[in-house]
Amino acid sequence: GEDVEQSLFLSVREGDSSVINCTYTDSSSTYLYWYKQEPGAGLQLLTYIFSNMDMKQDQRLTVLLNKKDKHLSLRIADTQTGDSAIYFCAESHTSGTYKYIFGTGTRLKVLA
Amino acid sequence: EAQVTQNPRYLITVTGKKLTVTCSQNMNHEYMSWYRQDPGLGLRQIYYSMNVEVTDKGDVPEGYKVSRKEKRNFPLILESPSPNQTSLYFCASSSSGPPDEQYFGPGTRLTVT
Repeated sequence: GEDVEQSLFLSVREGDSSVINCTYTDSSSTYLYWYKQEPGAGLQLLTYIFSNMDMKQDQRLTVLLNKKDKHLSLRIADTQTGDSAIYFCAESHTSGTYKYIFGTGTRLKVLA
Repeated sequence: EAQVTQNPRYLITVTGKKLTVTCSQNMNHEYMSWYRQDPGLGLRQIYYSMNVEVTDKGDVPEGYKVSRKEKRNFPLILESPSPNQTSLYFCASSSSGPPDEQYFGPGTRLTVT
């Protein structure tokens, strides 16, 4: 079945860049997403990328998509302590279904 | 304030005692979904609904029921809860289908003993 995998933990120093990686198995995924979950809260959408794009930049966030290797990454520039959270990647298809597959989540810890 | 609300936020119950977790959104969203979050497994979709009276199974529907009788509400029903349904549950809604943003509720932590 469809699967989305992430490493469980990442630790970086404040001011450094963070890179969170994700691999997925479904080659027919249309949209790939990054969500952020702060402690005790629900998930919040950070950004998404359409599968025919290679890159998307939004302020401090850069998403890279390697469709051949089914690899998605999220780079956070100038990481701050407020970026400490769990980050989930997810994939879905075009409208017609509301089915989402989420990854296991990567817990980012930012050290001051 | 636009939001998704869930009740209760915390629940401890015993095996076999039927329970309902409510989810309500005030954004007039068409689409709603239920997820469970477990350590090491991430979020897994239980059921979703693309409109009133339209529901469909996600990846882990066994042991759960849902209904969508009105647009704003999407309750999750556990008719005979078991300990393996101990989890953190999230409801989410969006105005339209992918890639429209899903808005998540605050979560319901359920413990089944």
